[in-house]
Amino acid sequence: GAGVSQSPSNKVTEKGKDVELRCDPISGHTALYWYRQRLGQGLEFLIYFQGNSAPDKSGLPSDRFSAERTGESVSTLTIQRTQQEDSAVYLCASSFDRNYGYTFGSGTRLTVV
Amino acid sequence: RKEVEQDPGPFNVPEGATVAFNCTYSNSASQSFFWYRQDCRKEPKLLMSVYSSGNEDGRFTAQLNRASQYISLLIRDSKLSDSATYLCVVKTGDSSYKLIFGSGTRLLVRP
Repeated sequence: GAGVSQSPSNKVTEKGKDVELRCDPISGHTALYWYRQRLGQGLEFLIYFQGNSAPDKSGLPSDRFSAERTGESVSTLTIQRTQQEDSAVYLCASSFDRNYGYTFGSGTRLTVV
Repeated sequence: RKEVEQDPGPFNVPEGATVAFNCTYSNSASQSFFWYRQDCRKEPKLLMSVYSSGNEDGRFTAQLNRASQYISLLIRDSKLSDSATYLCVVKTGDSSYKLIFGSGTRLLVRP
């Protein structure tokens, strides 16, 4: 597609439930990133995928968080046993290469109640 | 200490004013610098990269001071449409793909 597509755009879930967020990067972009933005805060790095290399998971806040990407296609971010502090906007970005600029998707707004 | 620090503002200025934002970063190994713009409830978008010699893009001028580890953004002749949050962003050499974001400075341009 023309841009980075994320779904769902909004998700309300009950505490303790699992959620799965999806990111469809720009075609041809080998690099894909997940960030989290809490209300009124800057973006926090979560995870980075580059082609078939091992991902950099150093930003994942706990073992409840995991992400997958097959090749250079769609990525999913899964949060297990959601907690209220997981409420945030989860932003995905892709780039042609690690040295090129990012294009962000419009994010998934997650609310844990 | 945060890796990238910004004054949260808000900066409330009249149309036509000149306004400047500063940002400091803690990692002296940082290699690339950017300003992003984020509108309310929208994703961040790249405004401009910041080069060592300073650079200008229309009404926007970015400066980098490596010795003092700060970056600035100057907006001349402010427009109502400039109202947004401006994010200072840094890349370090050890993980050059990872953008480190400041919390942003909010700008409100009034008529």
